[in-house]
Amino acid sequence: AQTVTQSQPEMSVQEAETVTLSCTYDTSESDYYLFWYKQPPSRQMILVIRQEAYKQQNATENRFSVNFQKAAKSFSLKISDSQLGDAAMYFCAYRSPIITSGTYKYIFGTGTRLKVLA
Amino acid sequence: EAGVVQSPRYKIIEKKQPVAFWCNPISGHNTLYWYRQNLGQGPELLIRYENEEAVDDSQLPKDRFSAERLKGVDSTLKIQPAELGDSAVYLCASSLDGVGDTQYFGPGTRLTVL
Repeated sequence: AQTVTQSQPEMSVQEAETVTLSCTYDTSESDYYLFWYKQPPSRQMILVIRQEAYKQQNATENRFSVNFQKAAKSFSLKISDSQLGDAAMYFCAYRSPIITSGTYKYIFGTGTRLKVLA
Repeated sequence: EAGVVQSPRYKIIEKKQPVAFWCNPISGHNTLYWYRQNLGQGPELLIRYENEEAVDDSQLPKDRFSAERLKGVDSTLKIQPAELGDSAVYLCASSLDGVGDTQYFGPGTRLTVL
């Protein structure tokens, strides 16, 4: 069974500094998707960044980038130049390929709470 | 563009009572998801719709939970009867299609069962 593990329940970063959030996953599939979602307090969850497993190049979205290590099944998120608005819960998610019945698995980790210190 | 709309935002009920949640996805999004998010946890998928069809309801506790998506747009998730352990945030999300596409989440309904 696929699993997603976020081993850091909470992280802190100084404003303007860089922080890396860890995520590991387990799957026997070779073609899948990985996501990082941000959930600010009492606000909607939004997508931060996504990575297709077949792409070797790491995804980047402005100050957010990932380090995708397929063999190690690791998918960390790096936030550069941290801002106060980055404070939120961050969830790593895995989406399996579609199986013959048309279904797929979408699995979230337990989240990492990021605090940004002024 | 309007986002995913959910109502109510908060609901407090006593155990054994029924409760229903409503979701209006982003216009044009064919895929709709219902998740349950327990405190301090990530969302867990309950059911996924492709248009009107429930294509994955394997995690839906069918003895007390039901869902429908009439006309392939709005959706309702119902719990009857509610139990104490059902207290959670119920999230609705939608995507253009289900093939690796980005999910857009609603604000959720926080359910408290007393």
